Amino acid sequence: DTAVSQTPKYLVTQMGNDKSIKCEQNLGHDTMYWYKQDSKKFLKIMFSYNNKELIINETVPNRFSPKSPDKAHLNLHINSLELGDSAVYFCASSPTGLAGPHYEQYFGPGTRLTVT
Amino acid sequence: ELKVEQNPLFLSMQEGKNYTIYCNYSTTSDRLYWYRQDPGKSLESLFVLLSNGAVKQEGRLMASLDTKARLSTLHITAAVHDLSATYFCAVAGGSGGSQGNLIFGKGTKLSVKP
Repeated sequence: DTAVSQTPKYLVTQMGNDKSIKCEQNLGHDTMYWYKQDSKKFLKIMFSYNNKELIINETVPNRFSPKSPDKAHLNLHINSLELGDSAVYFCASSPTGLAGPHYEQYFGPGTRLTVT
Repeated sequence: ELKVEQNPLFLSMQEGKNYTIYCNYSTTSDRLYWYRQDPGKSLESLFVLLSNGAVKQEGRLMASLDTKARLSTLHITAAVHDLSATYFCAVAGGSGGSQGNLIFGKGTKLSVKP
């Protein structure tokens, strides 16, 4: 069983469009995350979210918005896509705040977004 | 602001040799992670280090943590081609709701050659 899944795996779109990436985890975790990996392979946290609190990295443009219909899903919606948004986006999940005996953070397979 | 520095960023090794990747971080944290990423793939968790002096080993890889020096090392013993990948260290940053956010180093691209 896939622990953290993302769809789509690849997404090619034009500048100015709005797109969404979906993420689901079946681990029963309370906290989910979105990370961006740029062309230089640098990984950066974008958001963390549990059912109580959304933490937004201050460097993330407000064109990006996470949406969580329930605890097992955290989707990423991007408005007015720009060339610089091209990257691989990884969803991840963990027990709340990495507390307790379970410290692992599990990553999804990634979504490669290409904006033309 | 928590910063994580890895070195070297590129490492070309011969099979059978030993080498160490270093990970320094700038502020106190009690959780350090090592991940492996193959080209076009996701991140695979290798080790989670939770306390000062922690040492974990899996096959040819051994990771250690010195929280006082804010330093973790990933030691590769008798490298084989299958270890070729990019290795990331990451530190759990923040407090409260953001304590799970991982701050990553830039990664070390390891290439093991025959």
